[in-house]
Amino acid sequence: NAGVTQTPKFRILKIGQSMTLQCAQDMNHNYMYWYRQDPGMGLKLIYYSVGAGITDKGEVPNGYNVSRSTTEDFPLRLELAAPSQTSVYFCASSSPLNYEQYFGPGTRLTVT
Amino acid sequence: AQTVTQSQPEMSVQEAETVTLSCTYDTSESDYYLFWYKQPPSRQMILVIRQEAYKQQNATENRFSVNFQKAAKSFSLKISDSQLGDAAMYFCAELPLSGTYKYIFGTGTRLKVLA
Repeated sequence: NAGVTQTPKFRILKIGQSMTLQCAQDMNHNYMYWYRQDPGMGLKLIYYSVGAGITDKGEVPNGYNVSRSTTEDFPLRLELAAPSQTSVYFCASSSPLNYEQYFGPGTRLTVT
Repeated sequence: AQTVTQSQPEMSVQEAETVTLSCTYDTSESDYYLFWYKQPPSRQMILVIRQEAYKQQNATENRFSVNFQKAAKSFSLKISDSQLGDAAMYFCAELPLSGTYKYIFGTGTRLKVLA
């Protein structure tokens, strides 16, 4: 049982490049989330999903896209990277039993 | 919009002493959960404690306990017998059970533990 896994752990992008942050969970959770955490700040919700095929925007969705084709995977796509997207990105899933969120280890992204 | 407020950006506590971290929220929901998460320097977010709003009894987990004041919309975290490993960012979060299942996080409190 690996929990929530994220790849890569670190990435440096040039302005205008695109990339996909991968997230997978093996707990059969329906709910999955993407957050960003800027230095010294809390978590801001980018996108979330309540099940395969269903996604919705959080508070900071601009510049990002998601898809949820399976229960296990919830990739986050960055198009045309900008310096403002420099942040640490966390993926999480939550249990329908007790609503605890399980977080991945995070991806540190730098856009220069 | 619903918000969660942590008014203490930073707190310090002597090893073995007790410290209380504050959290208030402004939900209009009748049913919700409240959480405290710990984020050590490793960045990994770890659940510390959870409280269901319909339960009057305060949740406890070993050295961690909460003071849940529903009418005042207050949810403070008490850490007893503080240890060096407790040093971390602590985030308070609310989950309204209204159907969207979006967690609302506070801005965090950095806890320093002094030897």
